[in-house]
Amino acid sequence: GAVVSQHPSRVICKSGTSVKIECRSLDFQATTMFWYRQFPKQSLMLMATSNEGSKATYEQGVEKDKFLINHASLTLSTLTVTSAHPEDSSFYICSARSSGEHQETQYFGPGTRLLVL
Amino acid sequence: QKEVEQNSGPLSVPEGAIASLNCTYSDRGSQSFFWYRQYSGKSPELIMSIYSNGDKEDGRFTAQLNKASQYVSLLIRDSQPSDSATYLCAAAMDSSYKLIFGSGTSLLVRP
Repeated sequence: GAVVSQHPSRVICKSGTSVKIECRSLDFQATTMFWYRQFPKQSLMLMATSNEGSKATYEQGVEKDKFLINHASLTLSTLTVTSAHPEDSSFYICSARSSGEHQETQYFGPGTRLLVL
Repeated sequence: QKEVEQNSGPLSVPEGAIASLNCTYSDRGSQSFFWYRQYSGKSPELIMSIYSNGDKEDGRFTAQLNKASQYVSLLIRDSQPSDSATYLCAAAMDSSYKLIFGSGTSLLVRP
């Protein structure tokens, strides 16, 4: 149980284009999903918290107009990197928490590696 | 600022030994703690969660929590080369369910 998927696993795009990343909870309903970014040799950096049916809450320093988050259902959240630039190249990872027991537990997706040329 | 601190390592242990990973946290209000394992190039994988003072065992893994000392540890018994990874300690913040992650400890198990 507690499986989270992400798609795509890897994407290469040209500078200036937009990229959408999907995060799905496969066997549970995710009240909240979180989006992280991880640069090489660094720890996870929380970008935003996404609650189903409401606007995402962004961490300080994260541009909400650049990183669009939609959490349309209890099993799907999407992150769109708009007008991507080479500095946006990173490992993007989502996590989901269930509404059941031990709600603090986050289960991570496999991540999406973004390379912007 | 709420923080979780870990020694970055690398911690090197021989195969079969006990690996001891440590973590301290600053927020006394934190109630839930987690250990994640992250292999290079992969996303974090949940190993253990712990909520109460004392020890919690799961197979070769034992998590220890001491809220008075604001200290969490993870012991890995009979370490295997496949345990070589970065271990992330995390503490849950308040009602937002956000996790604060430490920077991770790199573990190397030598065959």
